[in-house]
Amino acid sequence: ELKVEQNPLFLSMQEGKNYTIYCNYSTTSDRLYWYRQDPGKSLESLFVLLSNGAVKQEGRLMASLDTKARLSTLHITAAVHDLSATYFCAVDIWETSGSRLTFGEGTQLTVNP
Amino acid sequence: DAGVTQSPTHLIKTRGQQVTLRCSPKSGHDTVSWYQQALGQGPQFIFQYYEEEERQRGNFPDRFSGHQFPNYSSELNVNALLLGDSALYLCASSLVELTEAFFGQGTRLTVV
Repeated sequence: ELKVEQNPLFLSMQEGKNYTIYCNYSTTSDRLYWYRQDPGKSLESLFVLLSNGAVKQEGRLMASLDTKARLSTLHITAAVHDLSATYFCAVDIWETSGSRLTFGEGTQLTVNP
Repeated sequence: DAGVTQSPTHLIKTRGQQVTLRCSPKSGHDTVSWYQQALGQGPQFIFQYYEEEERQRGNFPDRFSGHQFPNYSSELNVNALLLGDSALYLCASSLVELTEAFFGQGTRLTVV
């Protein structure tokens, strides 16, 4: 059974600081997603990582994928309050019968002024 | 271009009742997946529909059933509701050829 583990689960950081969220998964994946979720809202897609060594950046967020280590990271640079949210990684496994996303537990990020 | 739309947005039901949630996929998408997200947890895969058939199913009891219509829209039905069924139910649509899934805004179900 595929397992997706994120750490830390809770992260409180000051504005202007840098930090990294880690996502480990237990089996070969076809693609990896990072999502943001604000309280009571749905999932907002941040990044889709398709291959080993993939790196994508948007604003203060940068995601990378190492398929050999089965590890993805979400790096936050110079955090601002607006980044406060819960971040999920999700692994997409394709089978002949279809595909499904398996999510991590989520990292609840709070950026303090 | 409308994205994935779900209805209703909020719903309150009594234990033992039945509920139907609806999802219209993004234009051009043919595959619909349903997820349950309990408070404080990551979404859990319920099942996926393609060509009006259930293709994959997660670890959910038979009380959870679904349907996909010829226009690719989908319904999620839950019978004999339990308090533990209270959650945000998310619908995601995609194309069958392993493309990115897009999520709707969700339906918040509260069972009392």
